Amino acid sequence: EPEVTQTPSHQVTQMGQEVILRCVPISNHLYFYWYRQILGQKVEFLVSFYNNEISEKSEIFDDQFSVERPDGSNFTLKIRSTKLEDSAMYFCASIAGLHTEAFFGQGTRLTVV
Amino acid sequence: RKEVEQDPGPFNVPEGATVAFNCTYSNSASQSFFWYRQDCRKEPKLLMSVYSSGNEDGRFTAQLNRASQYISLLIRDSKLSDSATYLCVVSRASGTYKYIFGTGTRLKVLA
Repeated sequence: EPEVTQTPSHQVTQMGQEVILRCVPISNHLYFYWYRQILGQKVEFLVSFYNNEISEKSEIFDDQFSVERPDGSNFTLKIRSTKLEDSAMYFCASIAGLHTEAFFGQGTRLTVV
Repeated sequence: RKEVEQDPGPFNVPEGATVAFNCTYSNSASQSFFWYRQDCRKEPKLLMSVYSSGNEDGRFTAQLNRASQYISLLIRDSKLSDSATYLCVVSRASGTYKYIFGTGTRLKVLA
């Protein structure tokens, strides 16, 4: 079964450092998303990406965050100048088309110390 | 008002019980509806899509009431392995297309 893969599975970083979270979506999917889940809280939308550009971003997704699809397959989330409150599980998701199932990667657990 | 609301639980039920989860959504432009299951510290996985006509998959039944903007999930004959968080997910395409998650309802099935 095709799957979304994310690396690394766990990233520990010092406050103020930059991190890049990587995702390989399912190859024929068209829409890509990043979500965040702080431990014990809900899954929160960060950003959606379609046709090689951001289609929507949430209030959380400020200038500290950026996304790229540098080579047509990988989909990355960059977090600059990390803060303690950025500690969370970050999920990448992709969908083939509208109204279809969203497939999630296994997540990257980011710990900022 | 939150766009997707669920009772966070936890629901503690004995094995074999029937349990029902409810979800309401506020945006009438919502178009597709899903129940996802999330195990502790894992990614959400699709349990079932929800259709206006209602749909059933084994012990699981999902219902949608568009007029009341309400979605339900019924689990019959609960198993220990059903213990998880159940996420109500709503999609909409006003401007862009995205999925909005409820807070999730935690279920613990007890032996």
